[in-house]
Amino acid sequence: DAKTTQPPSMDCAEGRAANLPCNHSTISGNEYVYWYRQIHSQGPQYIIHGLKNNETNEMASLIITEDRKSSTLILPHATLRDTAVYYCIDPDRGSTLGRLYFGRGTQLTVWP
Amino acid sequence: GAGVSQSPSNKVTEKGKDVELRCDPISGHTALYWYRQRLGQGLEFLIYFQGNSAPDKSGLPSDRFSAERTGESVSTLTIQRTQQEDSAVYLCASSLVLAANTGELFFGEGSRLTVL
Repeated sequence: DAKTTQPPSMDCAEGRAANLPCNHSTISGNEYVYWYRQIHSQGPQYIIHGLKNNETNEMASLIITEDRKSSTLILPHATLRDTAVYYCIDPDRGSTLGRLYFGRGTQLTVWP
Repeated sequence: GAGVSQSPSNKVTEKGKDVELRCDPISGHTALYWYRQRLGQGLEFLIYFQGNSAPDKSGLPSDRFSAERTGESVSTLTIQRTQQEDSAVYLCASSLVLAANTGELFFGEGSRLTVL
């Protein structure tokens, strides 16, 4: 029962920015937005998380709208190794952080 | 070890047999999670262990599924009387107590179960 909505697939040219959108209209005020990715045949990998402010780390940037109902994960210079399924997650309300709903995510394909 | 280790990486079994899947979390990680991922699907939460607290078993799909954890180390997921719909990749993840508050889970490579 994913509480987020993402496009099923996106394409991006190598070296260009990949902008992955996510709607999380039911997120509550104190819940973080988390992004993970899953490269084929591997376990998911944590990318970034945020609450209200935009965040940046060595992997990506996260832009969260002021109303917090949507966010965008930005890979500034996509490479072929960034081809993966990207999951936008918000924790199950009122439960432990372990119950993360991953949904089906967005399959990002980076083309040479 | 450097990461979360799971075994076996692949398991093929006949319908009705029991299977055990093992997870070795990252040393020092007090939280441990099991997820299931069917082909082409997202991850489905199964169970969560945190230290000596009672585990959150709310995601286990039936009473054929059970899991144990010895202290803050190894965990075993057991599926009894396997059915074909149990075929999936079973993923284990661990996190530090503090990381559990930030959602940063470290996943293993998974155990692929095929029930014939």
